[in-house]
Amino acid sequence: GAGVSQSPSNKVTEKGKDVELRCDPISGHTALYWYRQSLGQGLEFLIYFQGNSAPDKSGLPSDRFSAERTGGSVSTLTIQRTQQEDSAVYLCASSVAANQPQHFGDGTRLSIL
Amino acid sequence: SQKIEQNSEALNIQEGKTATLTCNYTNYSPAYLQWYRQDPGRGPVFLLLIRENEKEKRKERLKVTFDTTLKQSLFHITASQPADSATYLCALSHGSSNTGKLIFGQGTTLQVKP
Repeated sequence: GAGVSQSPSNKVTEKGKDVELRCDPISGHTALYWYRQSLGQGLEFLIYFQGNSAPDKSGLPSDRFSAERTGGSVSTLTIQRTQQEDSAVYLCASSVAANQPQHFGDGTRLSIL
Repeated sequence: SQKIEQNSEALNIQEGKTATLTCNYTNYSPAYLQWYRQDPGRGPVFLLLIRENEKEKRKERLKVTFDTTLKQSLFHITASQPADSATYLCALSHGSSNTGKLIFGQGTTLQVKP
């Protein structure tokens, strides 16, 4: 079946603009995660959705970042008033349940000019 | 403070040898630990998961150990091949045993020379 799909694959925008990044998880996966990876760095946890529970937002770096997961499926990560330090690859993953292996998409490469 | 350390320098080995990668952590008590492989421009790919009550896991040429006393995991690739060249990430669960939240190390780049 299809893996985790992310769009767009690349996004270039001007500082101060808002951006929306989309993630389509694997069908039937109840858990969904967002990470950020800066050049040459490891993955930085951002947010985690599990079923109908309140999301774990403990990794969001500022209130400019928010995420939604509609209908327990597709998720959108929104960054408002983008800054140059927001430039990174944003990775989404899903898993059949919490504490199970995560399946990653190939990410959205975000560049803020 | 909590910290995960992986070999920051690239590991270069000859084809056919065993590669051993290290993941050390401090101030964590993870319920489980995972290893992922990441190729340039791609998302990580899951390799192995080991839980706190397990000492060792194997999958084909891969073996992972988990020592909760030493706070260390070792990841071995036997009979290494050039196709094994990639960055390998360790990730620790953060929170309860039912959490999906992972904290990742910086990764170790492995280069297998023919």
